[in-house]
Amino acid sequence: SYVLTQPPSVSAAPGETAKITCGGTDLGSKVVHWSQQRPGQAPLLLIYYDSGRPSGIPERFSGSNSGSTATLTISRVEAGDEADYYCHLWDSDSGQFVFGTGTKVTVL
Amino acid sequence: QVTLRESGPALVRPTQTLTLTCSFSGFSLSGGEVCFSWIRQPPGKGLEWLARIDWDDDEFYNSSLRARLTISKDTSTDQVLLTLTNVGPEDAATYFCARHNRAGDYGEAFDYWGPGTLVTVSS
Repeated sequence: SYVLTQPPSVSAAPGETAKITCGGTDLGSKVVHWSQQRPGQAPLLLIYYDSGRPSGIPERFSGSNSGSTATLTISRVEAGDEADYYCHLWDSDSGQFVFGTGTKVTVL
Repeated sequence: QVTLRESGPALVRPTQTLTLTCSFSGFSLSGGEVCFSWIRQPPGKGLEWLARIDWDDDEFYNSSLRARLTISKDTSTDQVLLTLTNVGPEDAATYFCARHNRAGDYGEAFDYWGPGTLVTVSS
C-alpha cells in the first residue's frame, strides 16, 4: 500500500520559518491534505488540495506539492504552532486513506 | 453547527468485539456527498485510518484490518458505527470519527472530527 514519509521532528525559533515535508512515490500527481494536532486534541484541517487554506487558518500556513514531496510551510512561527502535523491523502488505487508518519514541531 | 462525537466502552477484554458509535449533528447525509471515516491513534503514536462509509453506502477498509472491521451507518439516528472483532492489546487507542464531503470545498480532506474516545484493552 502507499506510504507517506515525514521527518519525526522539526524545530524553529519564533519568527522563523518551519518546513515539514511529506514524501511519497509520484506524490505530485496526487492530492495532499495537512492537519495539525495539538496535545490531547483532535486533528484540525490546515491545508486541503495541496495548497488550499480553510477559512480561519492563518496565511502563515501554506502548502505545495511537486515531484515526490509535499511541503507544509509555517512562516513566522509562533509558540502556539507547537503540535504534531500530518499529511494525508486518498489513495484511489488501493481504496484507502493514508496518513503520513507525523512530524512534531518544536518552537525553540 | 457541525458536531461529531464518539462513544463506546472505555475498557474491552481481549478477544471481545469492540463497537463504537459516532453521533453527528448540524448537517444531513442527504446534503451532499458526505462520507465518514474511523481513525485511531495509539498512545504516543501516529494516526491510522481504519474504515470509510459514503453517503451512497460504499464501504472502504484498511487492508491490514479488513477481516476484523465493519462500518455501517443509521440515517434514522444520524449515527455511524464501527465494529472491531477479536480485540487485542495492539487495538488500545483513541478512536476518532471524521467526515469529509466529496462534493464540498475541501474534497477528501477531513473537515470535521470528533474529540475521540479512548479504548483500553485489558483482562
